[in-house]
Amino acid sequence: KAGVTQTPRYLIKTRGQQVTLSCSPISGHRSVSWYQQTPGQGLQFLFEYFSETQRNKGNFPGRFSGRQFSNSRSEMNVSTLELGDSALYLCASSLFPGIQETQYFGPGTRLLVL
Amino acid sequence: AQTVTQSQPEMSVQEAETVTLSCTYDTSESDYYLFWYKQPPSRQMILVIRQEAYKQQNATENRFSVNFQKAAKSFSLKISDSQLGDAAMYFCAYRSPNNNDMRFGAGTRLTVKP
Repeated sequence: KAGVTQTPRYLIKTRGQQVTLSCSPISGHRSVSWYQQTPGQGLQFLFEYFSETQRNKGNFPGRFSGRQFSNSRSEMNVSTLELGDSALYLCASSLFPGIQETQYFGPGTRLLVL
Repeated sequence: AQTVTQSQPEMSVQEAETVTLSCTYDTSESDYYLFWYKQPPSRQMILVIRQEAYKQQNATENRFSVNFQKAAKSFSLKISDSQLGDAAMYFCAYRSPNNNDMRFGAGTRLTVKP
C-alpha cells in the first residue's frame, strides 16, 4: 500500500501570497490531520478532517484553512503568507478519527516564505 | 490544556547499549493515549510505540518499551540494543479523547555512536 503522499514537497513563496498544499491519505483512510512543524514552536496541530467535515481545529488564525474531498484527499490553504509561516507542514492519515487510531505521517511540504 | 515536556533536547548512546528518553505530561483527563514517534533526518515520522492510559501494563515493541507511570504523569521510552538506524528525533505525544488533537513534546535528538 502506498503511504501518505504530500505535494509539493518544497515551496517558496513571498509574503502576502497564498499557498495550497495537498495530501493524499493511505488508501482506505478517511481521516486526515495537518500539523505545522517549526524549530521554535515544534509540532502543532492545525486541523482534522473526516468525511469532508472539519472535526477539530488547533489554535491558528483564520488564514489557515483546509478541506477534504469525497475521496478523502485533503488540501490546506494559507492566505496572506507571513514570514512566520515558514515551516514543514505534515499531513497524517488514519482509518477513522479517534484517539485509538494510529496516525501515519507523510513526508511533509517544506514551505519557505520570503 | 494538556502539555507535553521532553526535558532532554539531546541524548547520545553507544551502539548496542540501552538509552531512556524522558517525557512528562500534564492533564486532568483520565482516559488518553500516549505515543512515541521517531523522525529520522529528512525522513517521515513513524510511530514507535503507543500506550493507552487505562492499561497498566507497559507497552513493548521489540527493542522499544515504555515505562508508563500514570500517577506521576511520566512516559519514558527505553531503547535496548541501540542500532545506528535508531538515530533520529524522538517525539512524545499526547492525544485527548475530548478534542482529539495530538500534543507533541519538543523532541529529543538521539545520536547513536558506533
